[in-house]
Amino acid sequence: GVTQSPTHLIKTRGQQVTLRCSSQSGHNTVSWYQQALGQGPQFIFQYYREEENGRGNFPPRFSGLQFPNDSSELNVNALELDDSALYLCASSLSATYNEQFFGPGTRLTVL
Amino acid sequence: TQLLEQSPQFLSIQEGENLTVYCNSSSVFSSLQWYRQEPGEGPVLLVTVVTGGEVKKLKRLTFQFGDARKDSSLHITAAQPGDTGLYLCAGEDNYGQNFVFGPGTRLSVLP
Repeated sequence: GVTQSPTHLIKTRGQQVTLRCSSQSGHNTVSWYQQALGQGPQFIFQYYREEENGRGNFPPRFSGLQFPNDSSELNVNALELDDSALYLCASSLSATYNEQFFGPGTRLTVL
Repeated sequence: TQLLEQSPQFLSIQEGENLTVYCNSSSVFSSLQWYRQEPGEGPVLLVTVVTGGEVKKLKRLTFQFGDARKDSSLHITAAQPGDTGLYLCAGEDNYGQNFVFGPGTRLSVLP
């Protein structure tokens, strides 16, 4: 399955954070989402074969990396209070949003 | 930006009752997906509907895609406490660059 680390994280405003995701074996596509409390997930971006393949309405301080070994990262610079949310990654095949398998998420709190 | 709206926002019913939740948009979607999300977990895909007018059944759950592919519904027959969760609809925009979730319907089935 899809795993994410850490489970929970507390940071202060202005800091930088790296969240990690391990995709389902063989999946070449990973998408990242931000889910604020009580809302649906919002698409941040998708990576396909280590290249960004689509981006939602998020500023450049949100960036990502995808590695050949089924792992990926979401980096957020200059954290703001509104960045507090559950961050979800989802893996799939062939740059699609079909049959996405989600991880349990990382709960980020920015103080 | 293509948006998805869901109604009702909250629904609390007794075990054994039937219910319908709705997902609407002013835009056409090539397909819509329904997910269920439980606390502390990522969303789990229930179904994908592709063809206008399509009806899919998954045990006690019936999903319908509107003829114009702008709306969808989820009907649950004889709800059980295990159906409790956040039901999300989602779809890919026409450019394939963004994946949009609705805000969700939070369902509580009381024993």
